[in-house]
This record gives sequence, C-alpha cells and structure tokens, in this order.
Amino acid sequence: AQTVTQSQPEMSVQEAETVTLSCTYDTSESDYYLFWYKQPPSRQMILVIRQEAYKQQNATENRFSVNFQKAAKSFSLKISDSQLGDAAMYFCAYSGGTSYGKLTFGQGTILTVHP
Amino acid sequence: GAGVSQTPSNKVTEKGKYVELRCDPISGHTALYWYRQSLGQGPEFLIYFQGTGAADDSGLPNDRFFAVRPEGSVSTLKIQRTERGDSAVYLCASSLPRGTGANVLTFGAGSRLTVL
Repeated sequence: AQTVTQSQPEMSVQEAETVTLSCTYDTSESDYYLFWYKQPPSRQMILVIRQEAYKQQNATENRFSVNFQKAAKSFSLKISDSQLGDAAMYFCAYSGGTSYGKLTFGQGTILTVHP
Repeated sequence: GAGVSQTPSNKVTEKGKYVELRCDPISGHTALYWYRQSLGQGPEFLIYFQGTGAADDSGLPNDRFFAVRPEGSVSTLKIQRTERGDSAVYLCASSLPRGTGANVLTFGAGSRLTVL
C-alpha cells in the first residue's frame, strides 16, 4: 500500500520570506501523480500544484514550486514571497496511475505566516 | 454548477440515528469521490463513482456506510446507526473522466458530522 508522510506538523514563516514543506512517500508503482493541496479554515481543499512522476522537470505555479526527487521518493513544496493568505493546512497527496482520483493524503502541515 | 456543492454544511445527530449527506458535483464531471477527514488528519478515501456505478468502494469502513448516485450526477452518502466515531468532515470531490482531466479533483467544502 502507498503511504505519504509529512514530518512537519507545523511550520511558520515571515511574510515575504520563503518556506519549504516536506513530504515523502512510499510506492512500488512507476506511474503516479503527486499533489499539494491547501485547506484553509473554510475546509475546501484547493489544489496548489501537481507533478506527474514521469516528468523530470519540477512543476511550478507562480510562487509555488516543488522539488521532486523520484529516487528518494521525496516531494517538497517551496512557497516563495509568502503572503498572509498562504496560511492554511497543507496536504501532500499521492495517486497511482491506475487509481484515478483515489488519493492517499499525508497528515498535513499547518503553515502560519507572520506579518 | 460552478463548484462542488455539499449539504448540509453541518449536521449534529444522536448516536444510532440515520443521516444523509448530499453532494452536487461540477456539471460534466462524471467521476465523483467521497472522502472522510477526522480531526487533525488528512482525508481518507471512501468511494469512487464513474457515472452511476461505484467503481471502487474499498474505503467504506463497514456496512453502515452506503452511497448512491442514481442519475450520474448528485450523490448521497448514507450512514445508518451512527456512532460517535463517525464524527468527521465528509468531503466530496468530482473530476473529468479518466484521461481528460490530468487526475485533478475539485473538492467541496465538506459536511461536518457530529454524533453525540
């Protein structure tokens, strides 16, 4: 079975600074997808960024980028120029290539942004 | 609709009662998913529908949980004889058919169930 581990229960960052959230996963599949979701107090999960395992290039979405290390099964999220609105719970998630939409989530990291 | 709509937003019930939670997916999204999120945890997969049929119900914890999607759009998650351990946020998500949406789910805001 696939597992996703987020070892940082809480992280904090100063506004305009950079923060990195860690995620590791375990799988025997070669085809899969990795995601970072943001969950604010409103409870709605919002997709931040996704990475297809077969792509070697790290995904980037504006201020958000990932460091995907396939051999190490590591998938960290870097948030640059942090904003107050980035404060939320962040979840790393895995989906196998044959398990379309069936996500395995990590335990989450609470991100606090200080003004 | 523009987004995934879930009702009720909050539901408080007594142990042993029956509850229904409703999910209205994005128009055109044939795939629909239910997840359960306990306090302080990440969401856990319950069931996946492709159209009207349950393609994967391996996450349903026991036979008290059942979900339907009779017309391939709105889905209802049904919980019989509720127990205090069923208290959680129940999240619904939808996506385009396999092969068209790059495996991207859009989530609703969830239904918070509290069993007293």
